Amino acid sequence: DAMVIQNPRYQVTQFGKPVTLSCSQTLNHNVMYWYQQKSSQAPKLLFHYYDKDFNNEADTPDNFQSRRPNTSFCFLDIRSPGLGDAAMYLCATSRDGPGETGFFGPGTRLTVL
Amino acid sequence: GQNIDQPTEMTATEGAIVQINCTYQTSGFNGLFWYQQHAGEAPTFLSYNVLDGLEEKGRFSSFLSRSKGYSYLLLKELQMKDSASYLCAVRNKTGANNLFFGTGTRLTVIP
Repeated sequence: DAMVIQNPRYQVTQFGKPVTLSCSQTLNHNVMYWYQQKSSQAPKLLFHYYDKDFNNEADTPDNFQSRRPNTSFCFLDIRSPGLGDAAMYLCATSRDGPGETGFFGPGTRLTVL
Repeated sequence: GQNIDQPTEMTATEGAIVQINCTYQTSGFNGLFWYQQHAGEAPTFLSYNVLDGLEEKGRFSSFLSRSKGYSYLLLKELQMKDSASYLCAVRNKTGANNLFFGTGTRLTVIP
């Protein structure tokens, strides 16, 4: 089935140790997003790729970077995780067009020790 | 920027009807979405409104008034499995379909 896949589902890292979260999609959608969701809070958009064009939200910390080597894959790199970066990280995809909804992956729950 | 408000929590009885409200302020409105999110899981799409009025989809309906910056999600014949968070999200015209979410309403369905 066409879907959005995130690996790993659970990631534990140490304070300051770089970590990479991955997302892949079989939907062939041209837009991919990364959201951060902390407990009992709304998903917060970090950035998105429109095809190869990277778009950063103004309040996304520099500690967060992203790569999209091809249509199917997108990575979230956290260069120096802090305790405050512990959260669920959601990848989503969509086509570009009115009414196009976002399809979310299952998320990666990041724990920072 | 965006400002989206929803009640934090609601409780309703199995078999009943519940209405979850959402008010929003956004620059360049381009659609409103409702998502359901069970604890520890990803949001799943429920409904989409871009024009005023009611959209019905089985037990779930969503209403939009653009002039009032207001939407609601109506859930009928509540089931225990409907216990979840319901997220209101708006899309603005800047950027490619970026969705900005409210904090969500945690609905608890009781027997």
